[in-house]
Amino acid sequence: EVQLVESGGGLVQPGGSLRLSCEASGFTFSSYWMHWVRQTPGEGLVWVSRMDTDGRTTNYADSVKGRFTISRDNAKNTLYLQMNSLRAEDTAVYYCARDVAGRYSAWGQGTLVTVSS
Amino acid sequence: DIVMTQSPLSLPVTPGEAASISCRSSQSLLHSNGNYFFDWYLQKPGQSPQLLIYLGSNRASGVPDRFSGSVSGTDFTLKISRVEAEDVGVYYCMQGLETPYSFGQGTKLEIK
Repeated sequence: EVQLVESGGGLVQPGGSLRLSCEASGFTFSSYWMHWVRQTPGEGLVWVSRMDTDGRTTNYADSVKGRFTISRDNAKNTLYLQMNSLRAEDTAVYYCARDVAGRYSAWGQGTLVTVSS
Repeated sequence: DIVMTQSPLSLPVTPGEAASISCRSSQSLLHSNGNYFFDWYLQKPGQSPQLLIYLGSNRASGVPDRFSGSVSGTDFTLKISRVEAEDVGVYYCMQGLETPYSFGQGTKLEIK
């Protein structure tokens, strides 16, 4: 069974940092591009970042560029999102998702990040 | 950036009736391989989104055949032939042709 399990969310003050993890199982993790998507009641679903299979290619939404860093460890079947200089508007549920030819064939359950003083 | 515009945003439906959701992209989603990089997702209450339709008109594994997708240029339509109680939730369209991938605003389907 394909599974993606996010962790690392929580409450952080503005300007702080947080690292999210997404552990994959049930498929060959190293064969798939992986993404982070976030969701808020106000904005809905918003794409955040993606990484190719071996970590050489990354893309970011303009709103997080320079503050967030996506990475992966294929030996550990894990995707990461390092989030620095966090702002109130980064408050959201963060999902990792598996990309197959431009579609998300699997999603994690999400992890809540709250940026507040 | 590609903008996805969905309608309606709210859709009350009587069980057994048909329902239709539209999505328009601000530019073509036709890939050089001949496929439309466009999907429909359903987010049931308290759950993560799940893939319903991919490449514009292909049902994902396990999706009932009462769901269908169609494409006409930059206009995409999701049709549910006979709505059931389990179909409630928020439906999103998404383009995966280029980054930033983008979603529609979501259509909340509720049972009358």
